[in-house]
Amino acid sequence: GENVEQHPSTLSVQEGDSAVIKCTYSDSASNYFPWYKQELGKRPQLIIDIRSNVGEKKDQRIAVTLNKTAKHFSLHITETQPEDSAVYFCAASNNAGNMLTFGGGTRLMVKP
Amino acid sequence: DADVTQTPRNRITKTGKRIMLECSQTKGHDRMYWYRQDPGLGLRLIYYSFDVKDINKGEISDGYSVSRQAQAKFSLSLESAIPNQTALYFCATSDFALSGMRTQYFGPGTRLTVL
Repeated sequence: GENVEQHPSTLSVQEGDSAVIKCTYSDSASNYFPWYKQELGKRPQLIIDIRSNVGEKKDQRIAVTLNKTAKHFSLHITETQPEDSAVYFCAASNNAGNMLTFGGGTRLMVKP
Repeated sequence: DADVTQTPRNRITKTGKRIMLECSQTKGHDRMYWYRQDPGLGLRLIYYSFDVKDINKGEISDGYSVSRQAQAKFSLSLESAIPNQTALYFCATSDFALSGMRTQYFGPGTRLTVL
């Protein structure tokens, strides 16, 4: 089955700096890669996703890049703000999102 | 997102007890899921259901069972709870997004402690 690894497990940045979280996946048939944000005590919520036929997608301060050859994808957050502090999860699916395999999560801390 | 609700939100129980976690949704989605969250392990799929008559095991189904009582309701049972089932449990539903892929929407979670 699919295996998704996520790094780093914790990331601390200064407000205004950029943050990058990386994930690798094992199943070359994976075709959908969502990212979820989970604030403390809250439910995971989708923040951005990308399909395998797209190399990059951007939404304001967040962007996701996908390298199908290397089987890795990354989340980029620019101009970080304290409210970006949360746990971020990547996931991969080989069936259009019907089932997701999650990475272990990255705790991002943005210091004011 | 109040469209997916879970009860109870917190539960403390003892080893060997049977416990049921309930999930309801008003989104009208056909697909529902149960996940378990442990620190450092992300979200792991326990069971999923693509419609009322379709129930499937996920990655970690041992020790759990489910029931899909209606399109809107999906319950998770621990027949005989054990301490390593202490975790945060999330229910989720899914529907097609504009991307053409299915997006999953999570409930608020149930924190279960087994003593």
